[in-house]
Amino acid sequence: QQQVKQSPQSLIVQKGGISIINCAYENTAFDYFPWYQQFPGKGPALLIAIRPDVSEKKEGRFTISFNKSAKQFSLHIMDSQPGDSATYFCAASMGGFQKLVFGTGTRLLVSP
Amino acid sequence: NAGVTQTPKFQVLKTGQSMTLQCAQDMNHNSMYWYRQDPGMGLRLIYYSASEGTTDKGEVPNGYNVSRLNKREFSLRLESAAPSQTSVYFCASSVPSGTYEQYFGPGTRLTVT
Repeated sequence: QQQVKQSPQSLIVQKGGISIINCAYENTAFDYFPWYQQFPGKGPALLIAIRPDVSEKKEGRFTISFNKSAKQFSLHIMDSQPGDSATYFCAASMGGFQKLVFGTGTRLLVSP
Repeated sequence: NAGVTQTPKFQVLKTGQSMTLQCAQDMNHNSMYWYRQDPGMGLRLIYYSASEGTTDKGEVPNGYNVSRLNKREFSLRLESAAPSQTSVYFCASSVPSGTYEQYFGPGTRLTVT
């Protein structure tokens, strides 16, 4: 049972372009939505996160857009760089305890 | 601080063999987790430990057991390995409040033949 659906599976963007990764969730009890970034051979690391009381959160070139009514959220990477090439996972959790449900991941390649 | 450490980094097992994956964190976190990562399936939670002395099943616990040895260490045991358990295993720990950020170890790549 996939509670968080992520698309696309892979993405190729030119340097300087905008990368967009989308996620949709089913459980309206989710109240925390993080994005994790994973480089080859490494463990995932938290990139940015949002709670449903705001519609957008920006940290540098990374922005989460959140649509509560549509139960969707997305990651936008502005001015994408080759160093951003990695796998990105969206996730969701509920309550005070961090039991995360992850999406299936998006492999991003930023071409020079 | 080393963060979250995992041993071993790589392991090959024959079907039916047993082994224990070790995980330790030095960040004084209360909660610890074990995930498996398979192509096209993301990370799936196997077991977690909200605090020292407690463990609970995650999404895919069958074929695994865990032990929260103390606050620092959380081990994952495969009693009788099966080819379906070929995967990359990640241990993580998290702060108990605020951002609840999870910190991941470098992973163990396990192959069961």
